[in-house]
Amino acid sequence: RKEVEQDPGPFNVPEGATVAFNCTYSNSASQSFFWYRQDCRKEPKLLMSVYSSGNEDGRFTAQLNRASQYISLLIRDSKLSDSATYLCVVSYSNYQLIWGAGTKLIIKP
Amino acid sequence: NAGVMQNPRHLVRRRGQEARLRCSPMKGHSHVYWYRQLPEEGLKFMVYLQKENIIDESGMPKERFSAEFPKEGPSILRIQQVVRGDSAAYFCASSSRDETNYGYTFGSGTRLTVV
Repeated sequence: RKEVEQDPGPFNVPEGATVAFNCTYSNSASQSFFWYRQDCRKEPKLLMSVYSSGNEDGRFTAQLNRASQYISLLIRDSKLSDSATYLCVVSYSNYQLIWGAGTKLIIKP
Repeated sequence: NAGVMQNPRHLVRRRGQEARLRCSPMKGHSHVYWYRQLPEEGLKFMVYLQKENIIDESGMPKERFSAEFPKEGPSILRIQQVVRGDSAAYFCASSSRDETNYGYTFGSGTRLTVV
């Protein structure tokens, strides 16, 4: 079993729709949680950290469920520019990040 | 650009040659992390270095791979006698301390192709 699992997609979503991704992690000692975004052949960029209380940044909302060991990302009013691969990342050490393989999102006009 | 700088952006090597990948951390950062991304996969941790010290190399293949971060100059990831399976994107990140609570900023990566 992979340490961090994501549905690879692709998710094909019309512009303006709401889309949600889930991610599960296996190590209950995980301490830090993130969503990164990666465009084709580019470096991953931090989208947002995920906190236990849940957090929102504009159209993006992240939730953490420690009991079930999953993380979610919700994108509202999706834009064409949201098309990318979204990577779920966890950490249970001070410095080492454990990455999911990513969920590909395609927003269609 | 004061971000993490990696070069070259693209590197093509024949099987058996050596590949040297460079990473210059952000100004003031003394911690460097190297990750590898194979096609259609997430990033995998390779090595964590501080100036003149290897802190954790648990993700490095036992043979052919080495890394250094000298007192002066960039961090170098060196792959000797490359094989086709080494073809991947290699990313580095830097920080001023060894904590992930705030996430990392990565360089633009080096895409290694072994032919």
